[in-house]
Amino acid sequence: GAGVSQSPSNKVTEKGKDVELRCDPISGHTALYWYRQRLGQGLEFLIYFQGNSAPDKSGLPSDRFSAERTGESVSTLTIQRTQQEDSAVYLCASSRTAGAEKLFFGSGTQLSVL
Amino acid sequence: KQEVTQIPAALSVPEGENLVLNCSFTDSAIYNLQWFRQDPGKGLTSLLLIQSSQREQTSGRLNASLDKSSGRSTLYIAASQPGDSATYLCAVTKAAGNKLTFGGGTRVLVKP
Repeated sequence: GAGVSQSPSNKVTEKGKDVELRCDPISGHTALYWYRQRLGQGLEFLIYFQGNSAPDKSGLPSDRFSAERTGESVSTLTIQRTQQEDSAVYLCASSRTAGAEKLFFGSGTQLSVL
Repeated sequence: KQEVTQIPAALSVPEGENLVLNCSFTDSAIYNLQWFRQDPGKGLTSLLLIQSSQREQTSGRLNASLDKSSGRSTLYIAASQPGDSATYLCAVTKAAGNKLTFGGGTRVLVKP
């Protein structure tokens, strides 16, 4: 596609529910990142995938968070048993190779946990 | 652990003035540094990428310098315009294949 696509753009959920966020990277981009941005704060790294290598999960805040990526295409970030502190914008980004080239971001998913 | 700091957190200037945004990082062993722009409610747009071997990069009215040994980068925006109003973030990566570590950003307002 022309850019990184994320869905949904907005998600409102009740505390305790599970949510699934989707990211479609730019075609041909081997690296895919998930970041979280809480209101008024900087970007917090969550996880990244590089080709077929094991993902770097060092930023995931708890075992309620998980992410998968099928080959070099779509990625899904899942948050189980959501809490109010999970409310944030979840941003996905991709690049042709991790760390070496410009990063292209999607518009994000605004998650609100009531 | 790499820490990236951006000062000031917010900046307001009249239209036409040059902007100077600062970024510092604690570990000078970086692979590259990127500057991004973020508009409200939107994702980030990459502006400039400087490899660790480079001293600066230029694109139009934007110029970014890198002093790796002192752990600093500066983004200059010449002749600012109201459309330059946004949050500017810098990010560094330690090696090819590594994640980017972001600063907290500088929120810029250019007044007409």
